[in-house]
Amino acid sequence: NAGVMQNPRHLVRRRGQEARLRCSPMKGHSHVYWYRQLPEEGLKFMVYLQKENIIDESGMPKERFSAEFPKEGPSILRIQQVVRGDSAAYFCASSQESRQYFGPGTRLTVL
Amino acid sequence: QQQVKQSPQSLIVQKGGISIINCAYENTAFDYFPWYQQFPGKGPALLIAIRPDVSEKKEGRFTISFNKSAKQFSLHIMDSQPGDSATYFCAASVTGGGNKLTFGTGTQLKVEL
Repeated sequence: NAGVMQNPRHLVRRRGQEARLRCSPMKGHSHVYWYRQLPEEGLKFMVYLQKENIIDESGMPKERFSAEFPKEGPSILRIQQVVRGDSAAYFCASSQESRQYFGPGTRLTVL
Repeated sequence: QQQVKQSPQSLIVQKGGISIINCAYENTAFDYFPWYQQFPGKGPALLIAIRPDVSEKKEGRFTISFNKSAKQFSLHIMDSQPGDSATYFCAASVTGGGNKLTFGTGTQLKVEL
């Protein structure tokens, strides 16, 4: 009964490179949320997806960030042309109703 | 605009004592209030949650008290243990509004022997 899985756990990128973060929800969950946690801060909502649909992307930066949740496979958060300010922990959560269960996160470091 | 305010920022409690963390919200549409526990390097783990139709919910040593008129809710950890040392986040969401969570800024709890 695996929980939410995220990979990679740690990712190092140089400025200008692309970062791809993956999230596999809990079995039976069809709702995926992405949150960002900056050092010493709380989590901030980025995007909410269901299979093949973006439901709410009100927390996503307008440029360089995109997310998808295809019919088959994990959800992907993609950050193009990373900058140092993108360094953070990115958490994925899945839910079936109100209760959201979080993965271990991907810690992105931009050099 | 910070919609969920959490205090204190940090808290030191003696083993066996009661830890109390408070949150206040602004959006009256919020109708689901969970608390999460996070250890360093880990993801947040759901501890306990409450809806506004009850004023208190207890699960083991953890209790949520909810005051709808004051738009406040709090987490009480009874008989606090060193293993409870972690960061605690309150959150709130609107059911049917996508359920996206709005988090407080967190409380670092340290339980001393």
